[in-house]
Amino acid sequence: GAVVSQHPSWVICKSGTSVKIECRSLDFQATTMFWYRQFPKQSLMLMATSNEGSKATYEQGVEKDKFLINHASLTLSTLTVTSAHPEDSSFYICSARLGGDTQYFGPGTRLTVL
Amino acid sequence: QQQVKQSPQSLIVQKGGISIINCAYENTAFDYFPWYQQFPGKGPALLIAIRPDVSEKKEGRFTISFNKSAKQFSLHIMDSQPGDSATYFCAARQRTGGFKTIFGAGTRLFVKA
Repeated sequence: GAVVSQHPSWVICKSGTSVKIECRSLDFQATTMFWYRQFPKQSLMLMATSNEGSKATYEQGVEKDKFLINHASLTLSTLTVTSAHPEDSSFYICSARLGGDTQYFGPGTRLTVL
Repeated sequence: QQQVKQSPQSLIVQKGGISIINCAYENTAFDYFPWYQQFPGKGPALLIAIRPDVSEKKEGRFTISFNKSAKQFSLHIMDSQPGDSATYFCAARQRTGGFKTIFGAGTRLFVKA
């Protein structure tokens, strides 16, 4: 089946630094990828929709200058958390749309900001 | 504004029993309703999904019941097993809304052996 990978699976960084998270569709091309954030014991909240070759569309309340999204190819989208702070510590999950209603979620990236 | 409401928040079921999780939605433009299973530290995995023109869909031990007029849908897990212990999310999607997935709050299921 189709697989979506994320790298790294977990990362610890110091406050004020930037962190890049990669989301790859391994065996299919994804014209659309989505980024979610999930705090402990909470639901997944959509952050942004990423379309290949165009600017990402951010959900209301998500700072686009803080969460930079780049979708440079049909198999790769990146999320960069800039000037990370402890409140950005969360589980970040991407999903990639294969087509129609078919989407696959990645395994997630645990970010801890000290 | 919570577009998809899910209950209960947590559920304890005996092994072999039936687990039932309920969801309700407001936006009648939603046209796809998936259920996801998530284990701790993992991404969600699709269990089963339904479209609003179908009232029930069954796949193995998992059944979705859909009531379009009431804007409600539910997941039934038959013969629940300890391995089913996980968090379950109902969700809704709208094709004309960019295929964004809106998740319910989640239900933590624990199946007692």
